[in-house]
Amino acid sequence: EAGVAQSPRYKIIEKRQSVAFWCNPISGHATLYWYQQILGQGPKLLIQFQNNGVVDDSQLPKDRFSAERLKGVDSTLKIQPAKLEDSAVYLCASSLDPGGPTDTQYFGPGTRLTVL
Amino acid sequence: SQKIEQNSEALNIQEGKTATLTCNYTNYSPAYLQWYRQDPGRGPVFLLLIRENEKEKRKERLKVTFDTTLKQSLFHITASQPADSATYLCALSTGGFKTIFGAGTRLFVKA
Repeated sequence: EAGVAQSPRYKIIEKRQSVAFWCNPISGHATLYWYQQILGQGPKLLIQFQNNGVVDDSQLPKDRFSAERLKGVDSTLKIQPAKLEDSAVYLCASSLDPGGPTDTQYFGPGTRLTVL
Repeated sequence: SQKIEQNSEALNIQEGKTATLTCNYTNYSPAYLQWYRQDPGRGPVFLLLIRENEKEKRKERLKVTFDTTLKQSLFHITASQPADSATYLCALSTGGFKTIFGAGTRLFVKA
């Protein structure tokens, strides 16, 4: 079974530039998550999708971050404009529905973003 | 405020010994708790899940306990091996389908 795919693996940008990350979840997984993991910290949920719909985006800085999940499969996370404090690893995860909240989350390898 | 605490200091143990990692939480009523392993440059990998009505869960050399009175989970790796060296994350999930991760504890197992 193929795992969660993410691209790019690494990205370096200047502050105020924009950047986009792509995620392809495990086939059949209805729930998709985007996390931000700053060095030395645990993953922090940015947004959670159930199929096309947003379940939780309470910690997404909506003035600069946006995410979409077209057709309930792939997802993109965008930052515009980027700030220095956005330097982190952005992790995508998926889980099987309708297992709901007790489902295991499967993580991709992450995208390491460096903002200069 | 709600908080999850894991030992921020790395745990160093000798091969063959039992590693015990701690996860404490405050102001949560988790429906269940999970432990994940994270290697450098990789995403977390699920290890074990334990529900609020379970006291203990085992899987091969791994054991997790969950004490909702103490608000604490312990994660044990018996007969530890250098390959067990990694960061271990605990994650709480509430009944509202929200999962919160701790900062993780780094484990080093010396041969």
